[in-house]
Amino acid sequence: GAGVSQTPSNKVTEKGKYVELRCDPISGHTALYWYRQSLGQGPEFLIYFQGTGAADDSGLPNDRFFAVRPEGSVSTLKIQRTERGDSAVYLCASSLSPGTGIHTQYFGPGTRLTVL
Amino acid sequence: SQQGEEDPQALSIQEGENATMNCSYKTSINNLQWYRQNSGRGLVHLILIRSNEREKHSGRLRVTLDTSKKSSSLLITASRAADTASYFCATDAGTASKLTFGTGTRLQVTL
Repeated sequence: GAGVSQTPSNKVTEKGKYVELRCDPISGHTALYWYRQSLGQGPEFLIYFQGTGAADDSGLPNDRFFAVRPEGSVSTLKIQRTERGDSAVYLCASSLSPGTGIHTQYFGPGTRLTVL
Repeated sequence: SQQGEEDPQALSIQEGENATMNCSYKTSINNLQWYRQNSGRGLVHLILIRSNEREKHSGRLRVTLDTSKKSSSLLITASRAADTASYFCATDAGTASKLTFGTGTRLQVTL
């Protein structure tokens, strides 16, 4: 079946602009995660959804970052007043409910965000 | 923040040789997973080992876990040029489910 998809694959924006990044998880996966990966580093956790609700948003760096998942499937990561330091690859992953005891997360190809 | 570090940061070997990468982490875990990443984009899941397991095999991959030392190793046997990628370990603490990644090892396999 189809894997996790993310759009756009690349996004170039100017400092101070607003951006939205979209993630479409694997069908049937109730858990959805956002991570951010800076050059030369491992991914860092941003936020985790279980269904429609954000179960853990402790990784969001500040209030310019916000994410939604209104119908429990597609999720959008929103960044307001972008800064050059926001430039990174934003990765989305999905998994079966953690309640199954299986924590394998399947990642999308990522969105490379460049803030000029 | 990163959970821990991987060692070495970069590794260059010839095709057919074995590659060993090590991962250390800081806090108690439920599972440890290894992922591969090509060209800085999507991660591919390789193998998961639970905290009560000590060793696991999958094809040419062998993973060990030592919870007393908070460390894991990934062995790729008979490496191929197609194994060239970055490899990351990632841990989860159970119910929280979020993954905490290491800093990665860049593996280069030459012909």
